[in-house]
Amino acid sequence: GAVVSQHPSWVICKSGTSVKIECRSLDFQATTMFWYRQFPKQSLMLMATSNEGSKATYEQGVEKDKFLINHASLTLSTLTVTSAHPEDSSFYICSAAPRQYSNQPQHFGDGTRLSIL
Amino acid sequence: GQQLNQSPQSMFIQEGEDVSMNCTSSSIFNTWLWYKQDPGEGPVLLIALYKAGELTSNGRLTAQFGITRKDSFLNISASIPSDVGIYFCAGHPFYGGATNKLIFGTGTLLAVQP
Repeated sequence: GAVVSQHPSWVICKSGTSVKIECRSLDFQATTMFWYRQFPKQSLMLMATSNEGSKATYEQGVEKDKFLINHASLTLSTLTVTSAHPEDSSFYICSAAPRQYSNQPQHFGDGTRLSIL
Repeated sequence: GQQLNQSPQSMFIQEGEDVSMNCTSSSIFNTWLWYKQDPGEGPVLLIALYKAGELTSNGRLTAQFGITRKDSFLNISASIPSDVGIYFCAGHPFYGGATNKLIFGTGTLLAVQP
């Protein structure tokens, strides 16, 4: 089945640090990748839609200068949390959809637990 | 952001019991998906539904795409301890345009006592 790899699994860093999270589709090409944030005991909330070769589309209330997204290839998207603060601590999850099939299910990575001290 | 209404919020059952959970929306959806999430991991796809009225099974799991396209249910038969986790419904809303955007339900926490 479709595999999405996310790295790193855990990040603990000091306030003010920028953190990069990678999302890779291992066995299919992903024109579109998605980034979600999940707080404890809550559902997944879409942050942005990442399209290969173009600018990401951010959901309302998500600061694009805070959460930088790059989708330079059909298998890799990165999320950089710039100047992270404790309130940015959360579980970040990426997903990818196979190319050309808009209603195909998204496959998720295993998430990145970000803790800002 | 937009979320789907999912119920119940949590369920505590005995091993062997059947489970039912559902998801509703005030607007039409093109697809309905059911995912399971274990602690500290990403959601794993269980069942995908693409047509109104569609009934699909995956082992002990059965899900249906509601006729009105505004709801879906998931049934788990003969529950076992490894069914423990959070179950999310999700769907692609009908925006009238091309989009992969997925909306998630609020989740159902399932606990199974051996």
